Order: sequence, then C-alpha cells, then structure tokens
Amino acid sequence: DADVTQTPRNRITKTGKRIMLECSQTKGHDRMYWYRQDPGLGLRLIYYSFDVKDINKGEISDGYSVSRQAQAKFSLSLESAIPNQTALYFCATSDTRTGLGYTFGSGTRLTVV
Amino acid sequence: AQSVTQPDIHITVSEGASLELRCNYSYGATPYLFWYVQSPGQGLQLLLKYFSGDTLVQGIKGFEAEFKRSQSSFNLRKPSVHWSDAAEYFCAVGAYGGATNKLIFGTGTLLAVQP
Repeated sequence: DADVTQTPRNRITKTGKRIMLECSQTKGHDRMYWYRQDPGLGLRLIYYSFDVKDINKGEISDGYSVSRQAQAKFSLSLESAIPNQTALYFCATSDTRTGLGYTFGSGTRLTVV
Repeated sequence: AQSVTQPDIHITVSEGASLELRCNYSYGATPYLFWYVQSPGQGLQLLLKYFSGDTLVQGIKGFEAEFKRSQSSFNLRKPSVHWSDAAEYFCAVGAYGGATNKLIFGTGTLLAVQP
C-alpha cells in the first residue's frame, strides 16, 4: 500500500457540485498539505495542517475548504466546483522531527465541466 | 517573499549527454532546498535536498545539485542522462520551523531525452 493515498484518482464533476478529495497516510507524519498543479504554474499551496487542531490557508485557498479528521486523514472540499478548478491535486505529508522532505500522493485529476 | 524560478520550461538532451537544470531562489533566511521529479501520471519523488553543510549534494538516480549562496542558485546536474530520466523536475525552497514551515515550488522544467 502507498504511504500517502489519494482518492479518487480521477473525477469528472459538473459546475456547482460539491466534491471532496480524500487523503490518508500511513507515514505517521504530523503535517499534511494540499497543492494543486496546473501546467506552467507548478504546484501552488491550497491549505496545510501542522496537526489535527491546526489548519492554515495557503496562497490559493478561495473556493476550497479542508478538514483534518485525524492525524492520518486530510480532506479537501470544493463547495461549489467551477471549471477553473480543473487541475491535478496533490496531497503531501511531512514530519516535524525530520524536516521538510515531503511525501506525495499520486494525485487526483479533477475535471469540472 | 519566498520564490523559486526555474528559467527553462522545456529542455531536450540526447541520451548519454550531460544535464544541468537551473533553479534560482529568493529567500530572506537560510533556505532549505529540494529537487523533485515527476514522471508522467505519477506523484512527485524527492531527488535530493540541501539543509546545511557540504554545498554539493548527492541524490538518487545519479543526480547531484550544488548550492551557491552568492548566486542564490541550486542547479541540478547529471553527467549522463538516460531515457528514463524524461520527466518534469521541480525545485522547491522552504524553511524549517515556525509558521513558514512549508515549501514553495518552481514552475517546473520538462525534460525530454532524445535517443
């Protein structure tokens, strides 16, 4: 099993729908992150969480929300999806004790039509 | 503000040739620097990282990178490229500790390898 698992791997949804992307990890890391990747823009940080009670906005949080249900689970929601949220979404984890070396999930490709 | 610049969007090299991917960063404190590789349809894999010490860092798959503080650069190199190295490469900068403990990524360099 992968250390960081994202579900679903691919999703097509309609404009205005609510959608949740899920991330779970078996690394035992305390920190979790959501990034989106767009061609030519690299990875941009949406939200991050340093522990279960800590949630922080990243550079592009508008239109998104997150929930840290447990140390191992961090979900990203799009309350009302719009086409410009079509992107590849990555979850990542890191460990306070060992530094910033992220472990990434395999990504969720989201298409909003 | 922190930023990372990868000036080359696309690079094509011949198999067996040497490779250098450029990365420049802007960061007010001592940076922590990373290179990641993303193969098609895959997540990002850590190639190497620099925290402190020797400025020449060895990574996986035969890659190395050199930190040059005076030039604010952290260029990735490989002496002989293999076809399997075709992928997208991302440089990232961050800090360890405190509220800034997160990575900022460059826009990536897409590497193509010619036979």
